[in-house]
Amino acid sequence: QQKVQQSPESLIVPEGAMTSLNCTFSDSASQYFAWYRQHSGKAPKALMSIFSNGEKEEGRFTIHLNKASLHFSLHIRDSQPSDSALYLCAQTSGGNYKPTFGKGTSLVVHP
Amino acid sequence: GGIITQTPKFLIGQEGQKLTLKCQQNFNHDTMYWYRQDSGKGLRLIYYSITENDLQKGDLSEGYDASREKKSSFSLTVTSAQKNEMAVFLCASSRTGGNYAEQFFGPGTRLTVL
Repeated sequence: QQKVQQSPESLIVPEGAMTSLNCTFSDSASQYFAWYRQHSGKAPKALMSIFSNGEKEEGRFTIHLNKASLHFSLHIRDSQPSDSALYLCAQTSGGNYKPTFGKGTSLVVHP
Repeated sequence: GGIITQTPKFLIGQEGQKLTLKCQQNFNHDTMYWYRQDSGKGLRLIYYSITENDLQKGDLSEGYDASREKKSSFSLTVTSAQKNEMAVFLCASSRTGGNYAEQFFGPGTRLTVL
């Protein structure tokens, strides 16, 4: 069974910091990857997704995928208190309808 | 754009009671999912459906039934609610033939069992 490990479990950073969240996955055949942000009491919302090795940037958010090292990361530049949330990563292999989610990283950005 | 609606928003039941949660989407997506999320935790897949009338068990299907009678709707039944069971049930959908890791979620139904 595919597994996704997220680290750290929780993180507290000051406003303006660079924040890095990590996922490792067990299946080298994984093809699709996504990061989600879930504010307290709200639904998870997909931030960004990627399917090929490399980086993708949108605003303050950058995701990085390295299939060889089975590693997938999210970096938040100039972290804001509004970024405080639970962050979930997900992956699936091509044609597999069942994504595997990590258990999440709880991020607190303090002013 | 589209939207996923879930009803009810809050559900309070008694131990042993059969409870039904409903989900509707207007994305015209074929694939729909039900997840359970315990407080501050990740998502556990209960059931998913690839198309109308299809049902597939997830990792946490015991104690639950599901129904997909229309493409746009997906229902989940808690067959016998357990006392002190508190969780949020999230419905999601995903584009057909695309990236199934990227899903659209509804706002959730918060279940409390007395």
